[in-house]
Amino acid sequence: DAMVIQNPRYQVTQFGKPVTLSCSQTLNHNVMYWYQQKSSQAPKLLFHYYDKDFNNEADTPDNFQSRRPNTSFCFLDIRSPGLGDAAMYLCATSGTWNTEAFFGQGTRLTVV
Amino acid sequence: GESVGLHLPTLSVQEGDNSIINCAYSNSASDYFIWYKQESGKGPQFIIDIRSNMDKRQGQRVTVLLNKTVKHLSLQIAATQPGDSAVYFCAENSRSSNTGKLIFGQGTTLQVKP
Repeated sequence: DAMVIQNPRYQVTQFGKPVTLSCSQTLNHNVMYWYQQKSSQAPKLLFHYYDKDFNNEADTPDNFQSRRPNTSFCFLDIRSPGLGDAAMYLCATSGTWNTEAFFGQGTRLTVV
Repeated sequence: GESVGLHLPTLSVQEGDNSIINCAYSNSASDYFIWYKQESGKGPQFIIDIRSNMDKRQGQRVTVLLNKTVKHLSLQIAATQPGDSAVYFCAENSRSSNTGKLIFGQGTTLQVKP
């Protein structure tokens, strides 16, 4: 019954090796968000989409990119992960800007 | 700049007592606010929301109060239970031209003592 599904739940990648995290939704929502959450911190917004319109936060590193090939799927690409990129990555969706956002369970990324 | 923050990083309460978690925001353009609960290793879970045309909204054991004059909102949990132990975040969704985005506050850890 999960509505926002993130895969994998745990991802280990090597320093500098590209990695892709995925998110899918069954809610047919227009808005999709990617957040980075480090230990004992609030989720930090990296990107969001309204349909195919992409919005990049000003302080999101160039090392992070995103793709949304269709309504249901969204991907977070980290081109050259550094140790500082180890975090929980959260995907969320909402029908529109000012409605409830539903979160996935997150992907815990470890960089070795 | 935009910021949503919480006053207290940790709140410890006795089981059965009421809990009040506070949040300050700075963006006067924010028109929608959400409280989320996050348990360890899980994604944030929606608790309750409120729009800027309201000052109070009640759910099951929870109440959110919004004071737009001082840009403050609070989450009240009645008869706090051990299962309420988690980190609580306030979040605002503010509009800017043709887009909006969900911004999270710092978070408050709620510890419920049996």
